Amino acid sequence: DIQMTQSPSSLSASVGDRVTITCRASQDISTYLAWFQQKPGRAPKSLIYAASTLQSGVPSKFSGGGSGTDFTLTISSLQPEDFATYYCQQYNSYPLTFGGGTKVEIK
Amino acid sequence: QVQLVQPGAEVKKPGASVKVSCKASGYTFTSSYIHWVRQAPGQGLEWMGLINPSGGSTTYAQKFRGRVTMTRDMSTSTVYMELSSLRSEDTAVYYCARGGENNPSRSDYWGQGTLVTVSS
Repeated sequence: DIQMTQSPSSLSASVGDRVTITCRASQDISTYLAWFQQKPGRAPKSLIYAASTLQSGVPSKFSGGGSGTDFTLTISSLQPEDFATYYCQQYNSYPLTFGGGTKVEIK
Repeated sequence: QVQLVQPGAEVKKPGASVKVSCKASGYTFTSSYIHWVRQAPGQGLEWMGLINPSGGSTTYAQKFRGRVTMTRDMSTSTVYMELSSLRSEDTAVYYCARGGENNPSRSDYWGQGTLVTVSS
């Protein structure tokens, strides 16, 4: 199975900050990488797929990059509604696997 | 608009089975895979498997093989996930998610989740 490692596991940031989360795959997954946002008590929401393609309706303050084994999710200017947990997922091969999550909290 | 509707909650005893439904609407049912993902309380996301509603073929994570069965009902555009031999560690929210249009292995729209509680 492909292991997905996210860092950091949590971070504190202020409104307006630029935030970057990293995700590393245990083997080459090309660009078969997705990012999800989850708020407490809610289902995950798709943000980005194919490493850098924004899901329809997702604001452009979210951006993704990387290929192979190293990937990033950047939020350009953090807003109150962005405080949530973010997960990466590889869909290069089965079983699909998720990173452990990054909780973004208010400083 | 795409919608995946799931029941809110189920309570089961250890050793029993649970069958969770996921009713799809707003798109052509047979055009997209359905994935199942679970999340234990306070934990991360775990992929369980998928079903192709078009032919009914399935792919299961090794961890769940032998205990999970995914089926579909074309007449009602509903997918089912049945998990047997339940134990307390199966207590979790179970989500269905639609496979993406350009790559069925990724997920775009998610159901609201079904909380399955396993308790004696």
